[in-house]
Amino acid sequence: AQSVAQPEDQVNVAEGNPLTVKCTYSVSGNPYLFWYVQYPNRGLQFLLKYITGDNLVKGSYGFEAEFNKSQTSFHLKKPSALVSDSALYFCAVKSDTSGTYKYIFGTGTRLKVLA
Amino acid sequence: NAGVMQNPRHLVRRRGQEARLRCSPMKGHSHVYWYRQLPEEGLKFMVYLQKENIIDESGMPKERFSAEFPKEGPSILRIQQVVRGDSAAYFCASSPLPSDREDGYTFGSGTRLTVV
Repeated sequence: AQSVAQPEDQVNVAEGNPLTVKCTYSVSGNPYLFWYVQYPNRGLQFLLKYITGDNLVKGSYGFEAEFNKSQTSFHLKKPSALVSDSALYFCAVKSDTSGTYKYIFGTGTRLKVLA
Repeated sequence: NAGVMQNPRHLVRRRGQEARLRCSPMKGHSHVYWYRQLPEEGLKFMVYLQKENIIDESGMPKERFSAEFPKEGPSILRIQQVVRGDSAAYFCASSPLPSDREDGYTFGSGTRLTVV
């Protein structure tokens, strides 16, 4: 079965420090991987995606993610965290069960950036 | 250009009542997706609709839940005879093209349903 795991419920990081939010996946076939961010009382916003090609994907707001096939991981990273990055982050994989593509989301990781 | 609009933002229903959740997609988007987020869980797919058609309802509970996306007006997710376990955040997303592996969606802010 296809699945996505975000092993950390919460990640705390000091402002200016690098941040990593972890994600691992389990899919049959090629993975199509995504990161979304949810700010309080807002909908999910698309950050970045990996479909094929370069393992390092760059996205919005200075975020990037590294696809690692051997470790089946797609960790989200940012070199220097901002307080405004504090939000809920979801990793997702697109799966084509039932004939249409749909997301399978992880449970989310709450990022807290401390001033 | 308004994003995906969902209303109401919060909805409280007593057990046994009906809940109607509305979703207006982005302008020019004719594909709508509903996801549900139960407490402490990730979002889970419910249904994918195109105008006047249900394309994939494999994530919908078999009873009490229905969805529509009429030619005119918003998409509606309807829950009849709500129970406490229906309490969740319901998110709608839209896209201009049929769902494929590569596109990201635009999500609404969600409707938080509380059943008392």
